Amino acid sequence: DAGVTQSPTHLIKTRGQQVTLRCSPKSGHDTVSWYQQALGQGPQFIFQYYEEEERQRGNFPDRFSGHQFPNYSSELNVNALLLGDSALYLCASSLALGRGRGSPLHFGNGTRLTVT
Amino acid sequence: EDQVTQSPEALRLQEGESSSLNCSYTVSGLRGLFWYRQDPGKGPEFLFTLYSAGEEKEKERLKATLTKKESFLHITAPKPEDSATYLCAVQDLNFGNEKLTFGTGTRLTIIP
Repeated sequence: DAGVTQSPTHLIKTRGQQVTLRCSPKSGHDTVSWYQQALGQGPQFIFQYYEEEERQRGNFPDRFSGHQFPNYSSELNVNALLLGDSALYLCASSLALGRGRGSPLHFGNGTRLTVT
Repeated sequence: EDQVTQSPEALRLQEGESSSLNCSYTVSGLRGLFWYRQDPGKGPEFLFTLYSAGEEKEKERLKATLTKKESFLHITAPKPEDSATYLCAVQDLNFGNEKLTFGTGTRLTIIP
């Protein structure tokens, strides 16, 4: 049973560039969430996708956008990169609320983004 | 705004020395409290979900408990492989809200 997979594992970009990160959810899961984890901090919620729509969004600027595809996989796009965007970007998948009680998020191993 | 505070920030224990990690939380209504383990360079690994005060869950040397304001992760006779950062997170009762609010974690080191 494949867990959550993310690509690439590492990425180095220059300020002002754009980046796309990819995520495949755990088999059977239909909801994908993205989190940003700075060094020494807990993960911070960016947004969540279900049925190809953004359902909820955290306190992140519009430079952060996403997409969910019919096969439930997802992309995170970040435009006009800043040095402060350097972090571990985590994708997590789960079952929609209607099917369970607070189903736990299952995380991938993340993409380490470095902005220089 | 949901808040989670974990203490201590870091803890060093001798192998076999039991201890507890604390997670204090503020949430309008608790849907669930989650404990995760995170190894360096990896994503968080799910450990437990607790839903209501008085609930307890156990897994090997770990036991999680929940009150109305805090949760404890008790580690009994730890081994070096238990070294990791332990994250606590809460999920609000607001319908459709699956967002997890995390604490900053406790970095646990078990010395052989």
